[in-house]
Amino acid sequence: RKEVEQDPGPFNVPEGATVAFNCTYSNSASQSFFWYRQDCRKEPKLLMSVYSSGNEDGRFTAQLNRASQYISLLIRDSKLSDSATYLCVVKNTNAGKSTFGDGTTLTVKP
Amino acid sequence: DAGVTQSPTHLIKTRGQQVTLRCSPKSGHDTVSWYQQALGQGPQFIFQYYEEEERQRGNFPDRFSGHQFPNYSSELNVNALLLGDSALYLCASSLGPGENIQYFGAGTRLSVL
Repeated sequence: RKEVEQDPGPFNVPEGATVAFNCTYSNSASQSFFWYRQDCRKEPKLLMSVYSSGNEDGRFTAQLNRASQYISLLIRDSKLSDSATYLCVVKNTNAGKSTFGDGTTLTVKP
Repeated sequence: DAGVTQSPTHLIKTRGQQVTLRCSPKSGHDTVSWYQQALGQGPQFIFQYYEEEERQRGNFPDRFSGHQFPNYSSELNVNALLLGDSALYLCASSLGPGENIQYFGAGTRLSVL
């Protein structure tokens, strides 16, 4: 079993749709959580950190459930420019290693 | 302010050869991590360098080695290349080994024939 698992996707949604991605992690020692975005053939870029209380950044909402070892990302009012692969990342803050999921691909269509 | 830079951008090698990839961290960053990203997968952690020493290592064989220089730049070396080493190699830099926020370079795409 992989340490970080994501919805396999792909997700194909119309503009304006709301879409949610899920991620589970197996290492209970994980302390920091992130969502990265990766455009085709480009490097990953940090989208947002995920906090225990949940956090929102514009149309994006991230939530963490430590008891269930589950992270989610909600995108509201999808734009064409949201089309990308979304990577879930967990990290044990005391260590340098970040563990990435395999990503979920989102395509937003007109 | 230059971000993370990697060279070369593309590389073609044959099985058994050796390769060296280079990374210059973002200005002010002292920690460099290397990742391997195979097609359709997420980046896999290879190792991290801080203060010119390997601090953390992922599940990669000894054929993968690295180095960090006094100016914080880093090299990734892969010996005895296998077809399965074909991937995008990403370098990420951060302010210290425990820092959560890391910035990635555009990567080096390695093809092993």
